[in-house]
Amino acid sequence: QVTLKESGPALVKPTQTLTLTCTFSGFSLTTTGLRVNWIRQPPGKALEWLARIDWDDDKFYSTSLKTRLTISKDTSKNQVVLTMTNMDPVDTATYYCARTTGQLSEFDYWGQGTLVTVSS
Amino acid sequence: QSALTQPASVSGSPGQSVTVSCTGTSSDVGAYNYVSWFQQHPGKAPKLMIYDVSNRPSGVSNRFSGSKSGNTASLTISGLQAEDEADYYCSSYTSSSTYVFGTGTKVTVL
Repeated sequence: QVTLKESGPALVKPTQTLTLTCTFSGFSLTTTGLRVNWIRQPPGKALEWLARIDWDDDKFYSTSLKTRLTISKDTSKNQVVLTMTNMDPVDTATYYCARTTGQLSEFDYWGQGTLVTVSS
Repeated sequence: QSALTQPASVSGSPGQSVTVSCTGTSSDVGAYNYVSWFQQHPGKAPKLMIYDVSNRPSGVSNRFSGSKSGNTASLTISGLQAEDEADYYCSSYTSSSTYVFGTGTKVTVL
C-alpha cells in the first residue's frame, strides 16, 4: 500500500526558509522510473508544480521558483525534503507531495497536504 | 510557464455529458502525450482521473475519458452523477522538463 505524508511547520515568518518533508511507504525511490514531486495550492486557487526528484537523483524545478527551491531525498528514511527560501505571504498554500511513475503524467498517489501560512 | 487555460465552470444535469477543455501551447500540451486530469473535492487532495491523455487508472469509472487535438486537451464526463461535482485540473509535461497545471474548472451537477 502506497502512502505519502507531508510534514513541516504550519506557520513561518516572511524571509524565513521553509523545510517540508514527504515521508512515504509502499515503494522505494531507488526503483527505476519512480519520482516524487512537490505541488502547492494557495487557498481557493489552482495547483502549481514546484519540483521533482527522480530515482536516479535527477532534480527538476519550476522555472519561476528555481532560485528558491532545493529538493533532496534520503532513501534510507524513505523521505523527500523540499526547502524554499525567502518565504513571502504569497507562498501561503497547501503543499502536497505526489508520486509519478515511469509514465511522466501518472501522478498516481498524493499526500493529504500540509497548510503553510506565511505571516509575521 | 503560463498556466494552461480551462473554463472557470461547466455544468450539466444528471445523466448528461460535459466536456472540460484545457488549452496550452506547442511547448506543453501540443508537444507530448503527457496530459493528466485530476478531480478535487473540497478540502481533499487531488485524485488522478486520466493520464497520458486518455488512460484511466485502475478504479476510475469509464464515464471519464480524455482526448487531445493539437494544443488542446479535453476531459469528458458522461452520465453525469452528483458525486462528479468537484474541481477539475489538467496538467501537462513541458519541453523544459517541468509540469504546468491548468487554471481549474468547477463542474456543477444541476
